[in-house]
Amino acid sequence: AQTVTQSQPEMSVQEAETVTLSCTYDTSENNYYLFWYKQPPSRQMILVIRQEAYKQQNATENRFSVNFQKAAKSFSLKISDSQLGDTAMYFCASTTSGTYKYIFGTGTRLKVLA
Amino acid sequence: EAGVAQSPRYKIIEKRQSVAFWCNPISGHATLYWYQQILGQGPKLLIQFQNNGVVDDSQLPKDRFSAERLKGVDSTLKIQPAKLEDSAVYLCASSLGGPNQPQHFGDGTRLSIL
Repeated sequence: AQTVTQSQPEMSVQEAETVTLSCTYDTSENNYYLFWYKQPPSRQMILVIRQEAYKQQNATENRFSVNFQKAAKSFSLKISDSQLGDTAMYFCASTTSGTYKYIFGTGTRLKVLA
Repeated sequence: EAGVAQSPRYKIIEKRQSVAFWCNPISGHATLYWYQQILGQGPKLLIQFQNNGVVDDSQLPKDRFSAERLKGVDSTLKIQPAKLEDSAVYLCASSLGGPNQPQHFGDGTRLSIL
């Protein structure tokens, strides 16, 4: 079975600093995909970054990057130069090549402090 | 491009009443998802359509929930009769299809059961 675990319910960071959100997953599949989604207080969920499991290189999108440790089944999100607009719930999710079914973690509430 | 449209935005009903939600996905998106998001939790997949066929409805409480996607475009999710534990945000998402494709989410419908 596919599982996604986020062990940090809440985190806070000072504006302009760096923060790392943790995510671990479990799957028996060889081909799978990992995602981080952001859900601001307005509620619409948007994609932050994605990683294909077969790629060794960590994905990067501007201030957002991941640390993908395949052997440890770990997929953390690093936010550099944090901005007030980064305040949101962040969800880690995974899918496998066999299905298009997303499994979401329970989320981490991030608050960026001025 | 226009995003995923959902209506209504809010709904308040009494237990044992019925309610329906509507979703219009992004044009050309073959895959459509309905999620239930209870406060403080991650989204839980209720049902997944590929065009107008059901791919996964294993977590849909079929004794009270039903969903359809006529002509492979719009979709409706119905609850009849509603229970107190159905209070949640119901999210609709769509994607082009394929496990590596990001999902695009609507604003959701917040359902309160009295």
